[in-house]
Amino acid sequence: AQTVTQSQPEMSVQEAETVTLSCTYDTSESDYYLFWYKQPPSRQMILVIRQEAYKQQNATENRFSVNFQKAAKSFSLKISDSQLGDAAMYFCAYRTPPMNRDDKIIFGKGTRLHILP
Amino acid sequence: DVKVTQSSRYLVKRTGEKVFLECVQDMDHENMFWYRQDPGLGLRLIYFSYDVKMKEKGDIPEGYSVSREKKERFSLILESASTNQTSMYLCASTSGTGYTFGSGTRLTVV
Repeated sequence: AQTVTQSQPEMSVQEAETVTLSCTYDTSESDYYLFWYKQPPSRQMILVIRQEAYKQQNATENRFSVNFQKAAKSFSLKISDSQLGDAAMYFCAYRTPPMNRDDKIIFGKGTRLHILP
Repeated sequence: DVKVTQSSRYLVKRTGEKVFLECVQDMDHENMFWYRQDPGLGLRLIYFSYDVKMKEKGDIPEGYSVSREKKERFSLILESASTNQTSMYLCASTSGTGYTFGSGTRLTVV
């Protein structure tokens, strides 16, 4: 069965600094999606960034980028120029091969990120 | 703007009550999901459905059931609520591209 592990329950970073959140996963599949979701106090899950396993190039969305190491099954999130609005719970997630009948997302336990002014 | 709507943001129920959590999506998505979120445990999949009247158990189905009579609506049912079912419940849907989440129902069982 697939698993997602986030080893950092909480992290803090100074405003304007860079922080990296770690995530590892386990799967025997070769084709899948990986995600980072953000959950602010409003509780709404917001997609931050997504990576297709077949793509070697790391995904980037403005200040957010990932380091995807497929062989190592590692998927870390880097937040540059941290802002107060980045404070939230961040979840790493793995999606079973797309368009399968049992398509579902498996989440890690989350990392709570604090931004220090 | 596409939406997944959960009928209640906060709910307080008594032990032994039958509880219905409703989720409605307006995107014509085939797949719908119910997750439970607890501190330190992340989101855990309770049940999911890939079609009307179809359901599949997730990782923690015990004590729950679901109903999907119409494509847009996926209900989570607690047949006899217990205090260990106090939690945040999140609904989501997808058509094979992105997942869209509701804003959650915080259920307290007293």
